[in-house]
Amino acid sequence: EAQVTQNPRYLITVTGKKLTVTCSQNMNHEYMSWYRQDPGLGLRQIYYSMNVEVTDKGDVPEGYKVSRKEKRNFPLILESPSPNQTSLYFCASSFAPFEETQYFGPGTRLLVL
Amino acid sequence: GENVEQHPSTLSVQEGDSAVIKCTYSDSASNYFPWYKQELGKRPQLIIDIRSNVGEKKDQRIAVTLNKTAKHFSLHITETQPEDSAVYFCAASIGNNFNKFYFGSGTKLNVKP
Repeated sequence: EAQVTQNPRYLITVTGKKLTVTCSQNMNHEYMSWYRQDPGLGLRQIYYSMNVEVTDKGDVPEGYKVSRKEKRNFPLILESPSPNQTSLYFCASSFAPFEETQYFGPGTRLLVL
Repeated sequence: GENVEQHPSTLSVQEGDSAVIKCTYSDSASNYFPWYKQELGKRPQLIIDIRSNVGEKKDQRIAVTLNKTAKHFSLHITETQPEDSAVYFCAASIGNNFNKFYFGSGTKLNVKP
């Protein structure tokens, strides 16, 4: 089954404790992206990757890191989480940014205390 | 960067009526405009998209129109059904490979039976 998976789905953590949210797709997609969703703000792009070892900043990259060592995986890293990073996070992938539908993962709800 | 504004934030219609959601964007270089539907607690899913070389696109009860001169695009849903109730997001894509996405803040559509 073609899918985008994220782990964990729910996470409660404390300020400053490093965390990683994993994202994996099994569709051989080249393009992957991370978004955060906050009430009244829609989705905002954090980082995206056009292919292995190619990543770039989206609209709100501050406080986040990503890596793309393998085509299927695109982890989101919060080195020192802060309460303003409490949000719902979505990973998405597609063959190309606009040639194909972006498939979204199920989301990760993060609470930073 | 790009700024996408979406109106209205909430929309309530009677079953069978039409619904229209409008978005404006600021950067004339934007060239790809997808629309996503997000049901409560679920991930966004693409419902229709349009590229800048097309003025209108239809898919059954859903249509999107684009006015590049005025920098606005709209989603039209005809013969609405209760299962159309969801939050709808517009987006505009920009960048060298149209890989940066900017989303509107969302429209909560309620279709009353």
